[in-house]
Amino acid sequence: DGGITQSPKYLFRKEGQNVTLSCEQNLNHDAMYWYRQDPGQGLRLIYYSQIVNDFQKGDIAEGYSVSREKKESFPLTVTSAQKNPTAFYLCASSIRIDSNQPQHFGDGTRLSIL
Amino acid sequence: GQQLNQSPQSMFIQEGEDVSMNCTSSSIFNTWLWYKQDPGEGPVLLIALYKAGELTSNGRLTAQFGITRKDSFLNISASIPSDVGIYFCAGGPSGSRLTFGEGTQLTVNP
Repeated sequence: DGGITQSPKYLFRKEGQNVTLSCEQNLNHDAMYWYRQDPGQGLRLIYYSQIVNDFQKGDIAEGYSVSREKKESFPLTVTSAQKNPTAFYLCASSIRIDSNQPQHFGDGTRLSIL
Repeated sequence: GQQLNQSPQSMFIQEGEDVSMNCTSSSIFNTWLWYKQDPGEGPVLLIALYKAGELTSNGRLTAQFGITRKDSFLNISASIPSDVGIYFCAGGPSGSRLTFGEGTQLTVNP
């Protein structure tokens, strides 16, 4: 089945540690996105990529980094510079960046601080 | 960028009641989408609207693309407990990135 796979489902980070969240899609989509969701809140865009080897900062990029070396993969690293990383992280993809192209979401990774 | 206002922020209803929520934008949109997010999961697309005045149904859900192209409505008829979740609107002008609303948290009491 085609879709987006995020792993792990739950992740724990120690103080001062970098952690990487995985996102893989087999939908052949060019565009991929990372969102952060806090309890009871909406989706805030962290980074997005419209094509391989290209990515752009979203609204809350500080303390995060990404790479897009393959079309299928868009990993997100939460660095130690992100002082409040506890949140639900969602990855999405779309055929291209255009509002008439719906985004398809993974099932999320919940990150907590130990 | 576009501003998108979604209301209400939350709703508490009894099973069997009808539900209505809406989104308004600060600019003209060419697309309106409605998603549902179940607890602990990612949002899933419910309905997509691409034309002003369009009215589309998906089971007990009905959504409309407003005539002014600056608003959209989602109605749920005869709510059931599994309707619980967060409903998001999304949209934008042609060629732009999707903008998401803040979500409507729906609670259905049996």
